[in-house]
Amino acid sequence: AQSVTQLGSHVSVSEGALVLLRCNYSSSVPPYLFWYVQYPNQGLQLLLKYTTGATLVKGINGFEAEFKKSETSFHLTKPSAHMSDAAEYFCAVGVSGNTGKLIFGQGTTLQVKP
Amino acid sequence: GAVVSQHPSWVICKSGTSVKIECRSLDFQATTMFWYRQFPKQSLMLMATSNEGSKATYEQGVEKDKFLINHASLTLSTLTVTSAHPEDSSFYICSARDLRRTNTEAFFGQGTRLTVV
Repeated sequence: AQSVTQLGSHVSVSEGALVLLRCNYSSSVPPYLFWYVQYPNQGLQLLLKYTTGATLVKGINGFEAEFKKSETSFHLTKPSAHMSDAAEYFCAVGVSGNTGKLIFGQGTTLQVKP
Repeated sequence: GAVVSQHPSWVICKSGTSVKIECRSLDFQATTMFWYRQFPKQSLMLMATSNEGSKATYEQGVEKDKFLINHASLTLSTLTVTSAHPEDSSFYICSARDLRRTNTEAFFGQGTRLTVV
Protein backbone atom coordinates (compact mmCIF):
# COMPACT_ATOMS: atom_id res chain seq x y z
CA ALA A 1 0.00 0.00 0.00
CA GLN A 2 1.13 3.52 -0.67
CA SER A 3 0.74 6.50 1.61
CA VAL A 4 1.81 10.08 2.04
CA THR A 5 2.46 11.96 5.26
CA GLN A 6 2.82 15.70 5.42
CA LEU A 7 4.50 16.85 8.59
CA GLY A 8 2.88 19.96 9.94
CA SER A 9 -0.69 20.82 9.11
CA HIS A 10 0.09 24.50 9.44
CA VAL A 11 3.28 26.36 8.59
CA SER A 12 3.76 30.06 9.13
CA VAL A 13 6.63 32.07 7.65
CA SER A 14 7.45 35.71 7.19
CA GLU A 15 7.45 37.26 3.76
CA GLY A 16 10.87 36.75 2.23
CA ALA A 17 11.73 33.78 4.43
CA LEU A 18 12.45 30.24 3.33
CA VAL A 19 9.46 27.98 2.81
CA LEU A 20 9.88 24.31 3.70
CA LEU A 21 6.94 21.94 3.52
CA ARG A 22 7.67 18.36 4.44
CA CYS A 23 6.40 15.25 2.73
CA ASN A 24 7.30 11.62 3.33
CA TYR A 25 5.94 8.76 1.33
CA SER A 26 5.62 5.02 1.50
CA SER A 27 5.65 3.01 -1.68
CA SER A 28 6.61 -0.49 -2.70
CA VAL A 29 7.17 0.59 -6.29
CA PRO A 30 9.20 3.49 -7.65
CA PRO A 31 7.00 6.43 -6.78
CA TYR A 32 5.60 9.19 -8.90
CA LEU A 33 5.37 12.20 -6.60
CA PHE A 34 3.54 15.48 -6.93
CA TRP A 35 3.02 18.75 -5.14
CA TYR A 36 -0.23 20.63 -5.71
CA VAL A 37 -1.46 23.99 -4.45
CA GLN A 38 -5.08 24.79 -3.70
CA TYR A 39 -6.57 28.21 -3.15
CA PRO A 40 -9.91 28.52 -1.31
CA ASN A 41 -12.83 26.97 -3.17
CA GLN A 42 -10.70 26.13 -6.15
CA GLY A 43 -9.28 23.03 -7.73
CA LEU A 44 -5.67 21.93 -7.60
CA GLN A 45 -2.79 23.38 -9.54
CA LEU A 46 0.32 21.33 -10.14
CA LEU A 47 3.48 22.89 -8.73
CA LEU A 48 5.89 20.17 -9.74
CA LYS A 49 6.27 16.46 -10.19
CA TYR A 50 8.86 13.73 -10.00
CA THR A 51 8.53 10.69 -12.22
CA THR A 52 12.01 9.65 -13.28
CA GLY A 53 15.38 11.26 -13.89
CA ALA A 54 16.77 14.21 -11.99
CA THR A 55 15.91 14.08 -8.32
CA LEU A 56 15.85 17.85 -7.89
CA VAL A 57 12.71 19.08 -9.54
CA LYS A 58 11.95 22.69 -10.27
CA GLY A 59 8.38 23.86 -10.55
CA ILE A 60 6.34 26.96 -11.04
CA ASN A 61 6.44 30.11 -8.91
CA GLY A 62 9.97 29.43 -7.69
CA PHE A 63 9.18 26.17 -5.91
CA GLU A 64 11.38 23.12 -6.05
CA ALA A 65 11.50 19.70 -4.41
CA GLU A 66 14.09 16.98 -4.05
CA PHE A 67 13.31 13.30 -4.24
CA LYS A 68 15.38 11.44 -1.65
CA LYS A 69 14.84 7.74 -1.91
CA SER A 70 16.96 6.92 1.15
CA GLU A 71 14.81 9.21 3.27
CA THR A 72 11.54 8.48 1.43
CA SER A 73 11.02 12.22 1.29
CA PHE A 74 9.91 14.81 -1.23
CA HIS A 75 10.07 18.11 0.63
CA LEU A 76 8.92 21.32 -1.06
CA THR A 77 10.99 24.48 -0.76
CA LYS A 78 11.02 28.06 -1.93
CA PRO A 79 13.85 30.44 -1.06
CA SER A 80 11.71 33.50 -0.47
CA ALA A 81 8.02 33.47 0.42
CA HIS A 82 5.55 35.87 -1.15
CA MET A 83 2.19 36.82 0.28
CA SER A 84 0.58 35.19 -2.74
CA ASP A 85 2.03 31.83 -1.67
CA ALA A 86 -0.46 31.59 1.19
CA ALA A 87 -2.59 28.56 0.32
CA GLU A 88 -3.10 24.87 1.00
CA TYR A 89 -0.41 22.53 -0.29
CA PHE A 90 -0.84 18.85 -0.97
CA CYS A 91 1.78 16.21 -1.57
CA ALA A 92 0.59 13.17 -3.51
CA VAL A 93 1.85 9.83 -4.76
CA GLY A 94 0.65 8.09 -7.87
CA VAL A 95 -1.01 4.77 -7.09
CA SER A 96 1.06 1.85 -8.37
CA GLY A 97 3.05 4.06 -10.65
CA ASN A 98 -0.06 5.74 -12.02
CA THR A 99 0.29 9.46 -12.58
CA GLY A 100 -3.45 10.00 -12.66
CA LYS A 101 -4.76 8.08 -9.67
CA LEU A 102 -3.39 9.81 -6.60
CA ILE A 103 -3.17 9.38 -2.87
CA PHE A 104 -2.92 12.71 -1.13
CA GLY A 105 -1.32 13.76 2.09
CA GLN A 106 -3.31 15.60 4.71
CA GLY A 107 -2.33 18.97 3.40
CA THR A 108 -0.33 21.85 4.85
CA THR A 109 -1.70 25.34 5.20
CA LEU A 110 0.98 27.91 4.48
CA GLN A 111 0.54 31.28 6.12
CA VAL A 112 2.77 34.15 5.03
CA LYS A 113 3.08 37.04 7.42
CA PRO A 114 4.00 40.53 6.22
CA GLY B 1 -3.77 23.35 -23.06
CA ALA B 2 -4.91 20.61 -20.69
CA VAL B 3 -7.94 22.33 -19.26
CA VAL B 4 -10.53 20.49 -17.22
CA SER B 5 -13.83 22.19 -16.55
CA GLN B 6 -16.40 21.27 -13.94
CA HIS B 7 -20.00 22.38 -13.91
CA PRO B 8 -21.58 23.66 -11.82
CA SER B 9 -19.08 25.40 -9.55
CA TRP B 10 -21.55 25.30 -6.71
CA VAL B 11 -25.00 23.87 -6.18
CA ILE B 12 -27.54 23.86 -3.39
CA CYS B 13 -30.17 21.16 -3.40
CA LYS B 14 -32.88 19.84 -1.16
CA SER B 15 -32.46 16.63 0.76
CA GLY B 16 -33.74 13.67 -1.23
CA THR B 17 -33.07 15.13 -4.66
CA SER B 18 -30.33 14.14 -7.10
CA VAL B 19 -27.55 16.34 -8.39
CA LYS B 20 -25.40 15.87 -11.47
CA ILE B 21 -21.87 17.23 -11.74
CA GLU B 22 -20.08 17.37 -15.08
CA CYS B 23 -16.38 17.07 -15.72
CA ARG B 24 -15.10 17.95 -19.17
CA SER B 25 -11.64 17.84 -20.69
CA LEU B 26 -11.70 20.81 -23.04
CA ASP B 27 -8.64 20.32 -25.20
CA PHE B 28 -7.64 16.70 -24.86
CA GLN B 29 -9.20 13.30 -24.74
CA ALA B 30 -9.36 11.52 -21.44
CA THR B 31 -10.08 7.82 -21.40
CA THR B 32 -9.83 7.97 -17.63
CA MET B 33 -11.11 10.54 -15.20
CA PHE B 34 -10.97 10.53 -11.43
CA TRP B 35 -13.47 11.81 -8.87
CA TYR B 36 -12.38 13.05 -5.47
CA ARG B 37 -14.23 14.31 -2.43
CA GLN B 38 -12.88 16.89 -0.04
CA PHE B 39 -14.43 17.75 3.31
CA PRO B 40 -13.71 21.17 4.83
CA LYS B 41 -10.09 21.57 5.83
CA GLN B 42 -9.33 17.99 4.89
CA SER B 43 -7.49 16.22 2.13
CA LEU B 44 -8.84 14.81 -1.08
CA MET B 45 -10.13 11.27 -1.02
CA LEU B 46 -10.42 9.31 -4.24
CA MET B 47 -13.97 8.13 -4.77
CA ALA B 48 -13.81 6.41 -8.11
CA THR B 49 -12.05 6.02 -11.41
CA SER B 50 -14.20 6.75 -14.41
CA ASN B 51 -13.40 4.76 -17.54
CA GLU B 52 -14.73 5.77 -20.94
CA GLY B 53 -17.14 3.20 -22.29
CA SER B 54 -17.08 0.96 -19.25
CA LYS B 55 -18.14 0.85 -15.64
CA ALA B 56 -16.46 3.02 -13.07
CA THR B 57 -14.19 1.52 -10.45
CA TYR B 58 -15.14 2.61 -6.96
CA GLU B 59 -12.86 2.85 -3.95
CA GLN B 60 -13.63 0.84 -0.89
CA GLY B 61 -16.41 2.34 1.16
CA VAL B 62 -17.90 4.42 -1.65
CA GLU B 63 -21.48 3.50 -2.46
CA LYS B 64 -21.76 3.01 -6.21
CA ASP B 65 -25.55 3.28 -6.13
CA LYS B 66 -25.26 6.56 -4.29
CA PHE B 67 -22.63 8.10 -6.51
CA LEU B 68 -23.42 7.23 -10.11
CA ILE B 69 -20.64 7.80 -12.59
CA ASN B 70 -21.02 7.86 -16.35
CA HIS B 71 -18.20 8.37 -18.82
CA ALA B 72 -20.00 8.36 -22.13
CA SER B 73 -17.41 10.15 -24.24
CA LEU B 74 -13.68 10.83 -24.26
CA THR B 75 -14.26 14.35 -22.96
CA LEU B 76 -17.08 14.02 -20.45
CA SER B 77 -17.64 12.23 -17.18
CA THR B 78 -20.59 12.87 -14.89
CA LEU B 79 -21.08 12.22 -11.21
CA THR B 80 -24.65 12.03 -9.98
CA VAL B 81 -25.28 12.17 -6.26
CA THR B 82 -28.57 10.37 -5.83
CA SER B 83 -31.02 11.02 -3.01
CA ALA B 84 -28.66 13.56 -1.54
CA HIS B 85 -28.53 14.11 2.20
CA PRO B 86 -26.80 16.79 4.26
CA GLU B 87 -23.86 14.47 4.95
CA ASP B 88 -23.18 14.43 1.20
CA SER B 89 -22.37 18.13 1.37
CA SER B 90 -18.78 18.44 0.27
CA PHE B 91 -16.38 19.73 -2.35
CA TYR B 92 -16.20 17.36 -5.31
CA ILE B 93 -13.22 17.58 -7.66
CA CYS B 94 -12.51 15.70 -10.84
CA SER B 95 -9.27 15.17 -12.68
CA ALA B 96 -8.42 13.85 -16.11
CA ARG B 97 -5.32 12.49 -17.70
CA ASP B 98 -4.36 12.39 -21.36
CA LEU B 99 -3.29 8.79 -21.70
CA ARG B 100 -1.70 9.40 -25.06
CA ARG B 101 1.06 11.20 -23.23
CA THR B 102 3.17 9.07 -20.90
CA ASN B 103 4.21 10.17 -17.45
CA THR B 104 1.95 13.18 -17.49
CA GLU B 105 0.03 14.37 -14.52
CA ALA B 106 -3.71 14.53 -14.21
CA PHE B 107 -5.31 17.94 -14.58
CA PHE B 108 -7.91 19.04 -12.08
CA GLY B 109 -11.19 20.80 -12.50
CA GLN B 110 -12.04 23.78 -10.36
CA GLY B 111 -14.30 21.73 -8.11
CA THR B 112 -18.00 21.74 -7.27
CA ARG B 113 -19.28 22.83 -3.90
CA LEU B 114 -22.39 20.79 -3.06
CA THR B 115 -24.61 21.88 -0.20
CA VAL B 116 -27.60 19.73 0.70
CA VAL B 117 -30.23 21.42 2.83
